[in-house]
Amino acid sequence: AQSVTQLDSQVPVFEEAPVELRCNYSSSVSVYLFWYVQYPNQGLQLLLKYLSGSTLVKGINGFEAEFNKSQTSFHLRKPSVHISDTAEYFCAVSETSYGKLTFGQGTILTVHP
Amino acid sequence: DTGVSQNPRHKITKRGQNVTFRCDPISEHNRLYWYRQTLGQGPEFLTYFQNEAQLEKSRLLSDRFSAERPKGSFSTLEIQRTEQGDSAMYLCASSSGFGREAYEQYFGPGTRLTVT
Repeated sequence: AQSVTQLDSQVPVFEEAPVELRCNYSSSVSVYLFWYVQYPNQGLQLLLKYLSGSTLVKGINGFEAEFNKSQTSFHLRKPSVHISDTAEYFCAVSETSYGKLTFGQGTILTVHP
Repeated sequence: DTGVSQNPRHKITKRGQNVTFRCDPISEHNRLYWYRQTLGQGPEFLTYFQNEAQLEKSRLLSDRFSAERPKGSFSTLEIQRTEQGDSAMYLCASSSGFGREAYEQYFGPGTRLTVT
């Protein structure tokens, strides 16, 4: 069975600093990987996805993530964060053809001025 | 396209009552998913429809839970004899089911259920 571990429940950073949100997964088969963001009182929004091909994927709002198969990781990065990036971020994995998602517990990113 | 919509947005009910939630997916999306999210946790998969067929149900979905998607359009999730442990955010998502876009799930705003 697939599982996802987000290694940090909360990450505080200052504006314009770089940030990395860590995600590790466990699966016995090939997987598809996703990062979603949830702003306060809003629904989940897809940031980026890895399906195949280049292991470095770029998403919206300047975020990117790197798929590392040997370390079973899919860490999310942004070189310079803004106040508006304050939100909860979820890593998710799918190993089925129809896309059922298994989510991590979430990481709350708080950007301070 | 107005995105995935869910109604109601909030529901407060007394223990033992039945509740029903509705999800309207993005038009022409043939895949529809229900998830449940409790405080401090990520969403957990409940069930999945391809058109009108319910193809998978999680073991989280007890006999008190039933979901339908008549005619492959909107979906309803009913909880009978609600318990306090049912208090959560219920999320609906849809996807197109074609090509690489099949893996992009679009989520609705959710229905927050509080059982008192």
